[in-house]
Amino acid sequence: SYVLTQPPSVSVAPGKTATITCGGDHIGGKSVHWYQQKPAQAPVLVIYCDSDRPSGIPERFSGSNSGNTATLTITSVAAGDEADYYCQVWDGDFDHVEFGGGTKLTVL
Amino acid sequence: QVQLEESGPGLVKPSQTLSLTCTVSGGSISGGAYYWSWIRQPAGKGLEWIGRISSSGGTEYNPSLKSRVTISIDASDNQFSLTLHSVTAADTAVYFCARDQDRNSGSFPYTNWFDPWGQGTLVTVSS
Repeated sequence: SYVLTQPPSVSVAPGKTATITCGGDHIGGKSVHWYQQKPAQAPVLVIYCDSDRPSGIPERFSGSNSGNTATLTITSVAAGDEADYYCQVWDGDFDHVEFGGGTKLTVL
Repeated sequence: QVQLEESGPGLVKPSQTLSLTCTVSGGSISGGAYYWSWIRQPAGKGLEWIGRISSSGGTEYNPSLKSRVTISIDASDNQFSLTLHSVTAADTAVYFCARDQDRNSGSFPYTNWFDPWGQGTLVTVSS
């Protein structure tokens, strides 16, 4: 199956920029989606198709995807952005969904 | 706007069958070219896709669970359901349902994403 690798944790000071990566073999050839999950809540889609934002998601959230790494970038980080973030792709070789292991974003 | 809500028993005995239902409101489960998915999350762990069903009844499952899973749809009640057989403690998790949107364009590789999600329901497998 297709493996997605995320760092377990990322820490950032308020007002700074957070970068969360999602690694995979030639992931640039796939479309990557990102979800935010706060404690005891369901995940929320924040980026789809590498860099598109659903309505209601702030412009502070952006995404990119190239080579072997997809990236979620959050600018002007605030305490309310503290959450787990998951990347997701469709594995066309086995026709199923893969999620990354998740990254816990801590706002210092 | 579309909303989803999971329902079903919170406790299932080992070796028995887990059954959950997801009720869709604010839109027709048969309207639009959507799939409807089940995803689970053990406590403190990551997300695992279980499988999905199209509005016409076509299904796809995670290969790791395929032998034990059935997903069905009831358009008249605007619901879809999950059945997981022969459960063990490893199946204890929060189970989410979600609308599954895909992009199937010749210019891009096939892909799908989940939006929105239900709030989730905890299922514990224990005697």
